[in-house]
Amino acid sequence: KAGVTQTPRYLIKTRGQQVTLSCSPISGHRSVSWYQQTPGQGLQFLFEYFSETQRNKGNFPGRFSGRQFSNSRSEMNVSTLELGDSALYLCASRSLPNEKLFFGSGTQLSVL
Amino acid sequence: SQQGEEDPQALSIQEGENATMNCSYKTSINNLQWYRQNSGRGLVHLILIRSNEREKHSGRLRVTLDTSKKSSSLLITASRAADTASYFCATDASGGYQKVTFGTGTKLQVIP
Repeated sequence: KAGVTQTPRYLIKTRGQQVTLSCSPISGHRSVSWYQQTPGQGLQFLFEYFSETQRNKGNFPGRFSGRQFSNSRSEMNVSTLELGDSALYLCASRSLPNEKLFFGSGTQLSVL
Repeated sequence: SQQGEEDPQALSIQEGENATMNCSYKTSINNLQWYRQNSGRGLVHLILIRSNEREKHSGRLRVTLDTSKKSSSLLITASRAADTASYFCATDASGGYQKVTFGTGTKLQVIP
């Protein structure tokens, strides 16, 4: 079984731009979660989707949004990028709630 | 916000020694999980312990859970240089469909 795939692996943007990150979960997994990881804040939960519905949302501004498609693939969008958005963005999938997470390798976003 | 706090923040040991990491959390949980992260990569699931379990083993890993103290510990026995990584605890809060929240992490260095 293929693992969780995140694209792109690296991304460089400038302030004010927007970015879309993509995540393909493990086949059969209907839950996709997104996390932001920075040295100062650690791993912060962004949101989780299950069967195309957002189930939980973290404490991030409205510039951060996401969606999940019928094939369980998910995208995360950040608009009007700020320098502080520079981080490793991790996607994880799981088959059901209360089960373990399988992580992708992440997208390293640098905002200049 | 972080659900869990881990202790110590950093740990340096010699190869062959045991490493113990502790995690404290704040709310009632369905389960607690431990993950490993090699520098700048995605997280890898190590072990999941449910709220009605007190101890679990997997290879050289031993996890304990004390729900009355809201704490858990991860013991890695006979450590190897390849165990060098950051270790995170994560909790699945009880009560419906909840997000997985990560602790602050322990950075482990195993010196050959």
